[in-house]
Amino acid sequence: GQQLNQSPQSMFIQEGEDVSMNCTSSSIFNTWLWYKQDPGEGPVLLIALYKAGELTSNGRLTAQFGITRKDSFLNISASIPSDVGIYFCRGGAQKLVFGQGTRLTINP
Amino acid sequence: EAQVTQNPRYLITVTGKKLTVTCSQNMNHEYMSWYRQDPGLGLRQIYYSMNVEVTDKGDVPEGYKVSRKEKRNFPLILESPSPNQTSLYFCASSLDAVDNYGYTFGSGTRLTVV
Repeated sequence: GQQLNQSPQSMFIQEGEDVSMNCTSSSIFNTWLWYKQDPGEGPVLLIALYKAGELTSNGRLTAQFGITRKDSFLNISASIPSDVGIYFCRGGAQKLVFGQGTRLTINP
Repeated sequence: EAQVTQNPRYLITVTGKKLTVTCSQNMNHEYMSWYRQDPGLGLRQIYYSMNVEVTDKGDVPEGYKVSRKEKRNFPLILESPSPNQTSLYFCASSLDAVDNYGYTFGSGTRLTVV
């Protein structure tokens, strides 16, 4: 089946630093989405991307839909403690495919 | 409050003892889905349902069954649980298969099979 490779798997950063993570696939997707999962909760949608090359921001978060439609990037600027959690990328519809997740830890 | 409710939140059971994890949504969503989350593997789709009486396999359906007799409920059934089904399970629903913004997850069920 389709697979998404998300990297890095984990990040340990200082508060205030910028964060970058990405997802790549061998398949083309028409939709890319990014979710955040807080401890003990289900994932919550952060950003949705629908067009190749699209760059979308949501506060300190910026995500891009790769031109080849096989990848996507998520950046978080000036990280704060509440950014801690697991971030997932997601591609496709119906049979949804999620990346393995990036666990973000922030040292105050 | 619009939500997806899973029960139980935590469950410890023994190998081979049939169990059901319930999922209910109050948003009149057509699309519902089950995932399991394992460290390093992310979220993997088990089964999904496009509407009442319409279900289909996801990427890891082996050892699981589902049913969709009513729109609001989508139970996950483990007929004979095994230790490799120890995992964190999530139910999710949306208006339809392409409703990305409305895609809502439950709070999860942590299952341990001993």
